Amino acid sequence: GDSVTQMEGPVTLSEEAFLTINCTYTATGYPSLFWYVQYPGEGLQLLLKATKADDKGSNKGFEATYRKETTSFHLEKGSVQVSDSAVYFCALHGSSNTGKLIFGQGTTLQVKP
Amino acid sequence: EAQVTQNPRYLITVTGKKLTVTCSQNMNHEYMSWYRQDPGLGLRQIYYSMNVEVTDKGDVPEGYKVSRKEKRNFPLILESPSPNQTSLYFCASSPTPTGRRSPLHFGNGTRLTVT
Repeated sequence: GDSVTQMEGPVTLSEEAFLTINCTYTATGYPSLFWYVQYPGEGLQLLLKATKADDKGSNKGFEATYRKETTSFHLEKGSVQVSDSAVYFCALHGSSNTGKLIFGQGTTLQVKP
Repeated sequence: EAQVTQNPRYLITVTGKKLTVTCSQNMNHEYMSWYRQDPGLGLRQIYYSMNVEVTDKGDVPEGYKVSRKEKRNFPLILESPSPNQTSLYFCASSPTPTGRRSPLHFGNGTRLTVT
C-alpha cells in the first residue's frame, strides 16, 4: 500500500542555517504530495503542496519539488528562524477515494538562536 | 473565522468509561475525518464521513464510533476506552474528499489519556 517515509528527527539547527527534511514515498499512480506543519499545542496546518511531477510547492520561504523519478518530496528552506521550530509532516493523497492522507512519522525541527 | 473546533483539549479518563470528543466546523465542508497521532507512527485515519449520514472506517477504527447527523458536527465516541487508545486525536475537514484539490483543515487536537 501507499506509504511515506521521513528522515528521523529531531533536527537541531542554528538560526539562518539551511534546512532539508527528506521525504520519500511509495504509491501507485500519481499521488498529490503535501507538507504540513504542527506548531506546539496546535493542529496541523498545510505548508505547501504539489499535485504533479516536477511541480514545486512553496510557502513562507519553504520549498519542495515533486520528483517522480526518485519518488521524493524533500522540504528545504534557505535560512531558518527560531519561529520555524515545529513538527513537519510529509503526506500523500493517493488513488484512494476516501480522502485519506497517508502521513510520514513527522520530523521535529528545533532552531536555536 | 474559518475553523475546526474540538473539545475537550485534554481528557483523562479510566478504562471502560464511555466518552465523546466533539468536533465542529463552520466552513460548510462536506468531508470530515478523525485521525490519531502516535509517536513514530505519524497520523492514522480512524473514520471519515463524505456527507451527512455517510460514514466509513479508516485504517484504525477498532474501539471507536462516529456519527454525522448534521453537516457541521462529527463526534468521536469511545464506548469502552482502553489504555491503548491513549493518543492525540485530530478532527479534520475539507470541502470535498479529494485531497488533490481540497487540503484538510485540522482542529487543534484532543490529548486523551486512558488509565
